[in-house]
Amino acid sequence: DTGVSQDPRHKITKRGQNVTFRCDPISEHNRLYWYRQTLGQGPEFLTYFQNEAQLEKSRLLSDRFSAERPKGSFSTLEIQRTEQGDSAMYLCASSLGDRENQPQHFGDGTRLSIL
Amino acid sequence: EDKVVQSPLSLVVHEGDTVTLNCSYEVTNFRSLLWYKQEKKAPTFLFMLTSSGIEKKSGRLSSILDKKELFSILNITATQTGDSAIYLCAVGRGAGGTSYGKLTFGQGTILTVHP
Repeated sequence: DTGVSQDPRHKITKRGQNVTFRCDPISEHNRLYWYRQTLGQGPEFLTYFQNEAQLEKSRLLSDRFSAERPKGSFSTLEIQRTEQGDSAMYLCASSLGDRENQPQHFGDGTRLSIL
Repeated sequence: EDKVVQSPLSLVVHEGDTVTLNCSYEVTNFRSLLWYKQEKKAPTFLFMLTSSGIEKKSGRLSSILDKKELFSILNITATQTGDSAIYLCAVGRGAGGTSYGKLTFGQGTILTVHP
């Protein structure tokens, strides 16, 4: 039983560069979520998909951020022109969205450090 | 704006002690409250609570929800060093409204258990 998988685990980049993260949800989970977590805080919601449809985006998600889930399976999160404030842990979660009260299960995250 | 407040923010105990972690919330169209344990990586699902007064139990951990007073507690009895972690509380909204699916997290309680 494979869990949520995220790649890469760590990303170090210079300010102004573009980065892309990948998330593979638990198979058969049709809902996929992205969160951002900074030190000492709980995860903050960024966006979520039901199958390939992006149903909600947080106000935190500036126009430098874009997320896709083209075939309703894996998802990518891209950050363009990275800034120091983008340094955080980016967490992906998935759930069985067709049933009520299904918990979200998280991946190990991608830790982004902006130099 | 949904709000989740956890207390205490940190707690240091010795093995064998019993601890109680608190979570209060304000959310429109409440659906569920979830507890997660986060060590160095992914938040790991512990409990999902949807009904008041029904205790959920797993080994030494238990949790209960009070929907009238808008809070939940997580109890850990006979603590062990392996219980050292950040405990996160999150709330989710119900269907039929906006933001269905996303979780709003509290700041977390850092629990340290000394041998």
